[in-house]
Amino acid sequence: DSGVTQTPKHLITATGQRVTLRCSPRSGDLSVYWYQQSLDQGLQFLIQYYNGEERAKGNILERFSAQQFPDLHSELNLSSLELGDSALYFCASSSDNTYGYTFGSGTRLTVV
Amino acid sequence: GENVEQHPSTLSVQEGDSAVIKCTYSDSASNYFPWYKQELGKRPQLIIDIRSNVGEKKDQRIAVTLNKTAKHFSLHITETQPEDSAVYFCAASEGRGLTGGGNKLTFGTGTQLKVEL
Repeated sequence: DSGVTQTPKHLITATGQRVTLRCSPRSGDLSVYWYQQSLDQGLQFLIQYYNGEERAKGNILERFSAQQFPDLHSELNLSSLELGDSALYFCASSSDNTYGYTFGSGTRLTVV
Repeated sequence: GENVEQHPSTLSVQEGDSAVIKCTYSDSASNYFPWYKQELGKRPQLIIDIRSNVGEKKDQRIAVTLNKTAKHFSLHITETQPEDSAVYFCAASEGRGLTGGGNKLTFGTGTQLKVEL
């Protein structure tokens, strides 16, 4: 267990629907990062939050949004889902004491 | 923004041989370079990292070298074992300071390493 908790582990939904992915960072970590990993693809940066504020944004679609709550957990909202949104979505967290990320186990999203 | 290129995309070695994976980065401001190992269906795990004030770092069978002038860094695995088979990702970050969250990582496209018996 890495200490970063992601739920749900698997999600199957239909095109056009909306889903919410949840991430709880390691205790004490203020930064949360979201990455998308499509089949046989690398890790594409979506967005970063630090202590409740958006800190950096990557190639995140307008249909996607995220937020970090006062208890530091984060949610990634994906709407108007398309088949191409099927992927592994990873959350990672880091502290103010280290540069390295710790990844969660990911949420596998399948859009049918 | 930062761009990280990684080669090769696949690498097959015999057990006991060495494996080398190379990455280049574009942003001269980057100063933190981690390597992650990802087994099939699992989360990426940090295996070694290096800061720009160091040219080489070693941890048992794994070593990373950094050439800031040429903007490239490499992962070296010696005496490879079947359990080293996985996808390896390099990454780079400006590391603009630990506090404030200035540490977005840009990842390479990954190298599928296969260690054959």
